[in-house]
Amino acid sequence: DTEVTQTPKHLVMGMTNKKSLKCEQHMGHRAMYWYKQKAKKPPELMFVYSYEKLSINESVPSRFSPECPNSSLLNLHLHALQPEDSALYLCASSQVRSPLHFGNGTRLTVT
Amino acid sequence: DAKTTQPPSMDCAEGRAANLPCNHSTISGNEYVYWYRQIHSQGPQYIIHGLKNNETNEMASLIITEDRKSSTLILPHATLRDTAVYYCIVRVFGAGGTSYGKLTFGQGTILTVHP
Repeated sequence: DTEVTQTPKHLVMGMTNKKSLKCEQHMGHRAMYWYKQKAKKPPELMFVYSYEKLSINESVPSRFSPECPNSSLLNLHLHALQPEDSALYLCASSQVRSPLHFGNGTRLTVT
Repeated sequence: DAKTTQPPSMDCAEGRAANLPCNHSTISGNEYVYWYRQIHSQGPQYIIHGLKNNETNEMASLIITEDRKSSTLILPHATLRDTAVYYCIVRVFGAGGTSYGKLTFGQGTILTVHP
């Protein structure tokens, strides 16, 4: 069990669909992160939110749109994805200057 | 951020100590060494971190050389459940109270624990 909850666990979407990934934590952490992990590769940082403001965007295509509605919730809105965007999407949170806590991810398949 | 070099794979017998090396020869004075592991189909799990002193917790020990250019993660009594990819990461925090510190993963070491 992890303290970072990601939903859904699995998602299949077509290239014309719009969907959202959700991440929630109740540890009072003020930084939240999105990572993308392709098969047999390490996780790659996409976005960092610090105090609900976007602090880092690692040159991610605009078809991925993050949102941090409050300090406990992080969303990733998906639109017009490509099959190569199929991956495990990981959310993490941390307190300032503390280890990241990861969720178990959403496995996304784009058809 | 400083780069890390790890062996791609290692084997260990169950019940023995697993010693995982990591090279970070370009590490700066304010960069921390973090270790995470990822068991298949799960998110990465934090193990331990340190700056320059050796560290120990309930999961593992971290030995950092005096020049800080390399470190070793020690799992004292490996079990089958320790089979995972182990990532050594150098992490730097920016200035100020809101600094979060980027965590950039390298390729990691696949540790296989055998019965």
